Amino acid sequence: EVQLLESGGGLVQPGGSLRLSCAASGFTFSSYAMSWVRQAPGKGLEWVSAISGSGGSTYYADSVKGRFTISRDNSKNTLYLQMNSLRAEDTAVYYCAKPRSIQPHYHAFDIWGQGTMVTVSS
Amino acid sequence: EIVLTQSPATLSLSPGERATLSCRASQSVSSYLAWYQQKPGQAPRLLIYDASNRATGIPARFSGSGSGTDFTLTISSLEPEDFAVYYCQQRSNFTFGQGTRLEIK
Repeated sequence: EVQLLESGGGLVQPGGSLRLSCAASGFTFSSYAMSWVRQAPGKGLEWVSAISGSGGSTYYADSVKGRFTISRDNSKNTLYLQMNSLRAEDTAVYYCAKPRSIQPHYHAFDIWGQGTMVTVSS
Repeated sequence: EIVLTQSPATLSLSPGERATLSCRASQSVSSYLAWYQQKPGQAPRLLIYDASNRATGIPARFSGSGSGTDFTLTISSLEPEDFAVYYCQQRSNFTFGQGTRLEIK
């Protein structure tokens, strides 16, 4: 079964850091670019970041550029999101997502994790 | 940056009725548009990819159409489980529309 399982969320103070992980199983992880998508409470979906299958190319939304770093360890089938300089507006459920195609920069995400909540508050 | 605008924000219909949801792009996205359904407390579910292709396991009552800047998601006859929020998404910068809430009338 194809599955994504996020972890690492929690409560953090403004200005703090957190690292999210997403463990993948049931597919050839290294063949797929992967993304993080977040959803603030009661709000819509916001794409955050993506990384190519090899890890050589990364992409960020303007709202997180310079503060968040996406990475992956294909030997561990795991995706990461290092979040620094966190702000209240980063409070959201963070999902990792797999595209349905191995085409470069493909957007249609057919597999999503269950999400992990990040709360930035003092 | 490409912006997706969904309309209406809220659609109130009854089971058995036909639902038509719109997504308009600020510039052409070719056919690279996806539609998702999200229910409360759940992750989004992919319904349609590349504007008109149903994802695996999606019922035939869901259909997508359009290309360029104007896209439509149609649900031919609403089932009780179809009442949810629907989002469109494009490939260029992965952005989502703001969503359409489909509620029971």
